[in-house]
Amino acid sequence: QVQLQESGPGLVKPSETLSLTCAVSGYSISSGYYWGWIRQPPGKGLEWIGSIYHSGSTYYNPSLKSRVTISVDTSKNQFSLKLSSVTAADTAVYYCARGIAAGPFAFDIWGQGTMVTVSS
Amino acid sequence: DIQLTQSPSFLSASVGDRVTITCRASQGISSYLAWYQQKPGKAPKLLIYAASTLQSGVPSRFSGSGSGTEFTLTISSLQPEDFATYYCQQLNSYLFTFGPGTKVDIK
Repeated sequence: QVQLQESGPGLVKPSETLSLTCAVSGYSISSGYYWGWIRQPPGKGLEWIGSIYHSGSTYYNPSLKSRVTISVDTSKNQFSLKLSSVTAADTAVYYCARGIAAGPFAFDIWGQGTMVTVSS
Repeated sequence: DIQLTQSPSFLSASVGDRVTITCRASQGISSYLAWYQQKPGKAPKLLIYAASTLQSGVPSRFSGSGSGTEFTLTISSLQPEDFATYYCQQLNSYLFTFGPGTKVDIK
């Protein structure tokens, strides 16, 4: 059974860097076509942050591109998100997800999500 | 950037009702459209991808159609467990966008 689990600090100070990790179990991260991060501010909709492909290529939401880095660690079977210079607007539940094997269409397996609050 | 709109934003329906949600893209996206269901406090669940392909394990009362700029999600007979928020999502040039969501509530 494929499972994804986000981890990282639940509280980040303004102007600092938010760092999250997504541990993948039951599936080799090297076998995945692509992996992604999505967030959801409290009471609001879903916002795609970015994706990393099997090739190593990364694609980011244009509105966040200057602050986002997504990377993969195949030795630990996990991938990570870094979001720099955070503000209160970055407060959200952050989800990691697996891209569907059928092609570049959607995300089929999601983590449970982790709440990150930006506050001093 | 491609924008998605959903209509209605809110829908009140009864068990057994046929429900249709529409998603429109600001420009053509072929069939790169997916639908998700999200319940409070839970991660989204993939229902449909490639506009009309039912994800494994999803009940057949869910169906999707459309291509280009207009897409629909239909629930043929609403069940108690279907009351949730539904999001469409598109992919274009490796960039994803989600729609604003449609909340389906109990009448």
